[in-house]
Amino acid sequence: DAGVTQSPTHLIKTRGQQVTLRCSPKSGHDTVSWYQQALGQGPQFIFQYYEEEERQRGNFPDRFSGHQFPNYSSELNVNALLLGDSALYLCASSLWGTENQPQHFGDGTRLSIL
Amino acid sequence: KNQVEQSPQSLIILEGKNCTLQCNYTVSPFSNLRWYKQDTGRGPVSLTIMTFSENTKSNGRYTATLDADTKQSSLHITASQLSDSASYICVVSPSRSNDYKLSFGAGTTVTVRA
Repeated sequence: DAGVTQSPTHLIKTRGQQVTLRCSPKSGHDTVSWYQQALGQGPQFIFQYYEEEERQRGNFPDRFSGHQFPNYSSELNVNALLLGDSALYLCASSLWGTENQPQHFGDGTRLSIL
Repeated sequence: KNQVEQSPQSLIILEGKNCTLQCNYTVSPFSNLRWYKQDTGRGPVSLTIMTFSENTKSNGRYTATLDADTKQSSLHITASQLSDSASYICVVSPSRSNDYKLSFGAGTTVTVRA
């Protein structure tokens, strides 16, 4: 039973570029949430997808966008990269409507902006 | 201001000793409170989940307590092992319609020394 998988594991970009990160949820899960975790900080909620729609969004600019596919996998896109976008990007999956069950996290994509 | 505050920021303990981590939150109303363990370079892994009506929850050598009146939670690690070295994150889930945004603390970094 595969857990949450994210790709790539590491990525280096320069300012102004665009990046796409990918996430496959745990088998049986239909909801994907994305988080940004700066060094030494807790994760910050970016947005959540269910039924291919963005259900809720955190305090992130429009440069951050996402998509969910019919197979429940998801992408996070970031445009016009800034130095401050350097972080660990985590994907978490869950089953919609099970608020008292844990989200399952992937090991993240480490994004470095030069 | 962060709605979830954790203390201490970091601590060092000797192998075999016990320790207690603290979490204070202001999220209200809340659905559940979670503790996650995050190893360096990995995604968070769920340790415990407590609903607002639960006072304590154990998972092996980890015991979480919750006082919903004072909005405080603690995580107690018994007979620490080297593998307990990690960041421990307190997470609160809101209990509002259509609000799925988890609030994360910044974490407590625990270092267990032989």
